[in-house]
Amino acid sequence: GENVEQHPSTLSVQEGDSAVIKCTYSDSASNYFPWYKQELGKRPQLIIDIRSNVGEKKDQRIAVTLNKTAKHFSLHITETQPEDSAVYFCAAADTGGFKTIFGAGTRLFVKA
Amino acid sequence: NAGVTQTPKFRVLKTGQSMTLLCAQDMNHEYMYWYRQDPGMGLRLIHYSVGEGTTAKGEVPDGYNVSRLKKQNFLLGLESAAPSQTSVYFCASSWARPSGTDTQYFGPGTRLTVL
Repeated sequence: GENVEQHPSTLSVQEGDSAVIKCTYSDSASNYFPWYKQELGKRPQLIIDIRSNVGEKKDQRIAVTLNKTAKHFSLHITETQPEDSAVYFCAAADTGGFKTIFGAGTRLFVKA
Repeated sequence: NAGVTQTPKFRVLKTGQSMTLLCAQDMNHEYMYWYRQDPGMGLRLIHYSVGEGTTAKGEVPDGYNVSRLKKQNFLLGLESAAPSQTSVYFCASSWARPSGTDTQYFGPGTRLTVL
């Protein structure tokens, strides 16, 4: 079946450095790719998303890139801050839209 | 505007017991979803609904039933709980399909333990 692989599972960076999380998906029909941030004990919250007709999207310190040919998409966080520490999930949704497949998550630690 | 709320926040069940989790949203969203979250496995879709009176199976529907009698509510039922159903359950809602113009908003979660 469809799946989304996410790497790395854990990432530790120094405050001010950049962090990159990578995902690959298997369903070629996927055309919507959201990223969620989940702080400990809290609900997942959307931080950025990208659609298949766009190669890159930026929102302040966060950017997402998409390579549809290779079925890769990545999250880039620049100038990381301690409050960026959380679990980040990538996801891919098919054109039917109801089935959003989530990656297993990346636990990001930003050390002050 | 409370967004998406879930009841209860925590619950401990014994194997074989039944319970219902309630999700409510006040955003007039058409679509609602139930996910479970297990360590190292991300979020997996259990059931979803595209409107009042409709339900459909997701990725891991076995052992669960759902109902959407009112647009604002989506109920998840466990008829005979098993230890494998120990998990954190999240409800979500959205205006349109995830691949459409809006995204999913999640509730705060229900932590369920089955002994």
